[in-house]
Amino acid sequence: TQLLEQSPQFLSIQEGENLTVYCNSSSVFSSLQWYRQEPGEGPVLLVTVVTGGEVKKLKRLTFQFGDARKDSSLHITAAQPGDTGLYLCAGARDSNYQLIWGAGTKLIIKP
Amino acid sequence: DAGVTQSPTHLIKTRGQQVTLRCSPISGHKSVSWYQQVLGQGPQFIFQYYEKEERGRGNFPDRFSARQFPNYSSELNVNALLLGDSALYLCASSRDSALSLEAFFGQGTRLTVV
Repeated sequence: TQLLEQSPQFLSIQEGENLTVYCNSSSVFSSLQWYRQEPGEGPVLLVTVVTGGEVKKLKRLTFQFGDARKDSSLHITAAQPGDTGLYLCAGARDSNYQLIWGAGTKLIIKP
Repeated sequence: DAGVTQSPTHLIKTRGQQVTLRCSPISGHKSVSWYQQVLGQGPQFIFQYYEKEERGRGNFPDRFSARQFPNYSSELNVNALLLGDSALYLCASSRDSALSLEAFFGQGTRLTVV
């Protein structure tokens, strides 16, 4: 059972379009992180959200943590080919010190 | 400061052989986690070590083992390799406090079993 469900699993769009990827769970998380991974590389941390309802912006990327801290979304405005990669969410719970990972959203931005 | 370093970067082994992968965490980080990542999928948790003790273990067979040294570096060992063990093995380090669970990953070791 995947405790963190990411959707869509795969997304291919044209440069300049907007997109949103989702990370959903029935569990409450104390914090949630988003990572981006390029082929052959390790995941790179993009952002950590901690407070329910929190919104963080990183240039064209907007991250939101759900009010109940069970879900999160990543919105990309005017996607560029450099945004191509595997986007992973990972959640932390108060009960232990381990991260719970989603399976990832593979994003391809076509020029 | 140096990031997480893993060695070797690439490795080819034969079925039945044993392999040892190494990881040095970021200075000051006491927690090391190991992940297996098959192409196109998210990381699958194998082990977490903190202060030289195993804190967590994922759903992997006993052929997989690990340890952490006093300097917080870590090794992952896999015995009796199977073709299905071919994957990118990632090491992540973290400070390991309640609000500092951000994982910083190395580049990984690409293991190919033939």
